[in-house]
Amino acid sequence: EPEVTQTPSHQVTQMGQEVILRCVPISNHLYFYWYRQILGQKVEFLVSFYNNEISEKSEIFDDQFSVERPDGSNFTLKIRSTKLEDSAMYFCASSEGVTGGEKLFFGSGTQLSVL
Amino acid sequence: KNEVEQSPQNLTAQEGEFITINCSYSVGISALHWLQQHPGGGIVSLFMLSSGKKKHGRLIATINIQEKHSSLHITASHPRDSAVYICAPVPGGSYIPTFGRGTSLIVHP
Repeated sequence: EPEVTQTPSHQVTQMGQEVILRCVPISNHLYFYWYRQILGQKVEFLVSFYNNEISEKSEIFDDQFSVERPDGSNFTLKIRSTKLEDSAMYFCASSEGVTGGEKLFFGSGTQLSVL
Repeated sequence: KNEVEQSPQNLTAQEGEFITINCSYSVGISALHWLQQHPGGGIVSLFMLSSGKKKHGRLIATINIQEKHSSLHITASHPRDSAVYICAPVPGGSYIPTFGRGTSLIVHP
């Protein structure tokens, strides 16, 4: 089965530094998402992306965050000036369509630790 | 705001037992996802349903739109079913699922 690929699997950074999390969605998928999961908590939606622009974002996704599709395959999440509370598992997901009824395919996640 | 409640929060079973995990939500939805999160953290989509019932192997998912309730059943449970099961309904008018807190299932041999 096709896979969503995320790199790196683990990222350790100092508070205040910028990090870029990378994702390669499934090739024929058109909709891309970032989610995060703080340890012991539920998965939270951050942002969705379609046609080279943000289509929906949550309250969490403030000016500290940005997303980009720099080329035809990669989808990135940038976190500027990281804070301790940004420590979480970040999941990328993609779907073929977006009716609300499309199956989501998740990457294996990037564990971000901010020290 | 869509409130999602899953029960039970934690579930322990013996191999072979029939398992039921329940999900209730507060707003009208267009669809509902059931997902499995493995101990290593990876998330796998099990079902997406908008009405009725779906079956895949030993897993069965049902939904009652009017009652705002869905259930996930596992027949003949096995230790490899041990995982967190997450209900994620999609509010009407949106396409973004709201994740429940999950039900942690441990199946003992």
